[in-house]
This record gives sequence, structure tokens and C-alpha cells, in this order.
Amino acid sequence: EAGVAQSPRYKIIEKRQSVAFWCNPISGHATLYWYQQILGQGPKLLIQFQNNGVVDDSQLPKDRFSAERLKGVDSTLKIQPAKLEDSAVYLCASSGIGYEQYFGPGTRLTVT
Amino acid sequence: AQSVAQPEDQVNVAEGNPLTVKCTYSVSGNPYLFWYVQYPNRGLQFLLKYITGDNLVKGSYGFEAEFNKSQTSFHLKKPSALVSDSALYFCAVRGPSNTGKLIFGQGTTLQVKP
Repeated sequence: EAGVAQSPRYKIIEKRQSVAFWCNPISGHATLYWYQQILGQGPKLLIQFQNNGVVDDSQLPKDRFSAERLKGVDSTLKIQPAKLEDSAVYLCASSGIGYEQYFGPGTRLTVT
Repeated sequence: AQSVAQPEDQVNVAEGNPLTVKCTYSVSGNPYLFWYVQYPNRGLQFLLKYITGDNLVKGSYGFEAEFNKSQTSFHLKKPSALVSDSALYFCAVRGPSNTGKLIFGQGTTLQVKP
């Protein structure tokens, strides 16, 4: 079974630029999550989708972050404009029937 | 509000010795608890979970965890550590029932020395 795919793996941008991350969940998983992991901390949820509907986006900085999950499969997370404090690893996870979540390798974003 | 605490930033153990990585939790209602491991430049890998049932949960790579309701703890254990177990370990609790989000602790670095 293929795992969660993410791209790109690394991205370096200047502040005020925009960036987008892509995630392809495990086939058949209805729930998709985006987490932000700042160095030295545990991951924190940004947004949760159930199929193509948003379940929880209470921690998403909506003035600069946006996410979509078209057709209930792939998802993109966008930051526009980026700030220095957005430097982090962005993790995508998916879950099916069970409670455990399966994580992709992450995208390491550096904002200079 | 749900929360998780990992009181140790780092745990050092010699190869072949037993290891314990500590986790305490605070939840309203029944806790759904998880352990994940993260290797450098990799995503998080699921190790084990406690939902209900036996207090001793067995997981991947020889790891197990003991759920203790009275002490609100969910410590990760392994009888004999390997150098390859060296990694960053996260304890997590499932969020409120209307969402599935995981609330993670700060993480504990496990260093196993030969």
C-alpha cells in the first residue's frame, strides 16, 4: 500500500512570496490533515478535511493560509504572503476507518 | 482541554537495556492515546495506540505502552533498546470527539548508545 505523498520535500522562499504544497493521501482515506511542525515542537493541526469538506480550521491563519481538497482526494496548502515565522515542516496525514493517522514525509519550508 | 506532556527532552540508554519514555495526559472523557516516532528528515511513523481494553498495548518494532488511568500516564517501553531506536518520539491524544485531530507533546529524543 502506498503511503502519503507530499511535494516538494524542501522549499526556500523570501518573505512576502507565496508557496504551495501538495499532498496525496493513502487511497481510500476520507480524512486528510495538514499539520505545522516548528523546530523543537510537536506538530499542530492547521486544517482537517473530511472528504472535500472542512471539519476544523480553527488554527489556520486565514489571512495568509488557504487549503483546498478538490474531489476529496489530493489537497494543496498555500501560504501568501509568507512570513519568517512560517518556517517549519508542513506535514500531511490521512486516516481511514481506524483512529491512527498516517503521515507523509513533510515539506521543509525556509522563509528568508 | 486535551493536552499531553512529555517531561523529558532527552532519554539516554545503553543498547540492550530497557527503555522508558514518559507521557502524561489530560482529557475530558475517555482518552485515545498514541505514540509516534520521527527519524531525521522523515514524517511521523505510527507505533501504537490505546483506545480501550488491556492497559498494556503492543506495537511496532517491539515497543509497548502501559496505560495507567489513575496516574493519567501512557509511558512507552521496550525491554531491550537498539541503537537504531534512536529517534524523536511523540505522544499524542485525540482531540474532542467532533474532530479527529491529534494533540502532540513536545517530543522526547531517545539516544541509545552502543
